[in-house]
Amino acid sequence: QVRLQQWGAGLLKPSETLSLTCTVYGGSFNGHYWTWIRQPPGKGLEWIGEIFHTGTTNCNPSLESRVSMSVDTAKSQFSLRVSSVTVADTALYYCARRSCSPTTCNTWIDYWGQGALVSVSS
Amino acid sequence: DIQMTQSPSSLSASVGDRVTITCQASQDIGTDVNWYQQKPGEAPKVLIYDASNLQTGVPSRFSGSGSGIDFTFTISGLQPEDVATYYCQQYENLPPLTFGGGTKVQLK
Repeated sequence: QVRLQQWGAGLLKPSETLSLTCTVYGGSFNGHYWTWIRQPPGKGLEWIGEIFHTGTTNCNPSLESRVSMSVDTAKSQFSLRVSSVTVADTALYYCARRSCSPTTCNTWIDYWGQGALVSVSS
Repeated sequence: DIQMTQSPSSLSASVGDRVTITCQASQDIGTDVNWYQQKPGEAPKVLIYDASNLQTGVPSRFSGSGSGIDFTFTISGLQPEDVATYYCQQYENLPPLTFGGGTKVQLK
């Protein structure tokens, strides 16, 4: 069974950099898109971006200038960094998986981490 | 970006009622729409993929339909455990993957 466990800094000040890491247990790390999604308190879901095990990324254009993602296949980990955070970046951040087969990738997210709350406040 | 307009934003229904949620895409996306259920304090869970396919293990009272621009999600016989927020999602053109605004389903 695939399980995603995430951790990272919970309280940040404006202009600091958010950093989160997700470790994948079970299943194959290679061959899937590893995804970040966030949810502001009481609000809906926003896709941040995704990274393939090769390092290829897709990113939400609204966040692209501040977002960087990386993978460490040896550790089955992937990471997110968001620079110059503001109060608007306060959210529950989920790591997740968009599964792929050798020939195609799903359009949906099938595995999620538990979420990590990141608060930005001066 | 493709926008997903979901309605209603909330609804109240009785146990056993048929519940319908709609999602309209800002352009033709074929059948690349998925539906999620999110219970309080939990991560979302996919129920329907590719507009009308039931994810393994999901009760058959959940269903989806539609193609092109207009999509519908139905619970045929609401149960107490179905109280949750439901989201549509598209990824026909990448990036970005986008979600509808959500529909909060409560018991009357």
